[in-house]
Amino acid sequence: GESVGLHLPTLSVQEGDNSIINCAYSNSASDYFIWYKQESGKGPQFIIDIRSNMDKRQGQRVTVLLNKTVKHLSLQIAATQPGDSAVYFCAEGETSGSRLTFGEGTQLTVNP
Amino acid sequence: EPEVTQTPSHQVTQMGQEVILRCVPISNHLYFYWYRQILGQKVEFLVSFYNNEISEKSEIFDDQFSVERPDGSNFTLKIRSTKLEDSAMYFCASSKRTGVYEQYFGPGTRLTVT
Repeated sequence: GESVGLHLPTLSVQEGDNSIINCAYSNSASDYFIWYKQESGKGPQFIIDIRSNMDKRQGQRVTVLLNKTVKHLSLQIAATQPGDSAVYFCAEGETSGSRLTFGEGTQLTVNP
Repeated sequence: EPEVTQTPSHQVTQMGQEVILRCVPISNHLYFYWYRQILGQKVEFLVSFYNNEISEKSEIFDDQFSVERPDGSNFTLKIRSTKLEDSAMYFCASSKRTGVYEQYFGPGTRLTVT
């Protein structure tokens, strides 16, 4: 049969605006979450992570929010820049193991 | 800033041939991983490796696949007899910490099986 590629959700923002990228995860046992940025032709680049004993974690211009009740993760990027344009993936894992399970990704486009 | 490196960037091979994909993890990292991404699909876990042993492997990582740390710096993924469906981007990752934490990815090797 045919394999159908993912149709990525897209988010288009103006330079300087704040961006919020959302992710739903499925495994209730996941207790570690990580956001990656992937530019075209490159590997996933670590942005920020969070453990399940936290609800919020801040980095430089980025904040990750975790809502375990509804199994939802979000990445907020402040003052978005054209260089932020990329596909953003959330990934989940269990700290008892070693595998990360990736989400489908969101294409962020920043318009100058 | 230290990075994971991978060679080659693109490998073309014929079905049934063996390929070896190479990775140099970040130098003070002890935990190594391979993932793959078929075009247009999600990144998928293949295998994790620590202390010269496989720690965990996925259902994808069957007997056609093997991993090795042949020396103090390289980490390799071998596919014994490639199939068309092995065509994908293969990413190596490494971590200072055990398990799922802070895995840093290389740029990938694009494998095309014809």
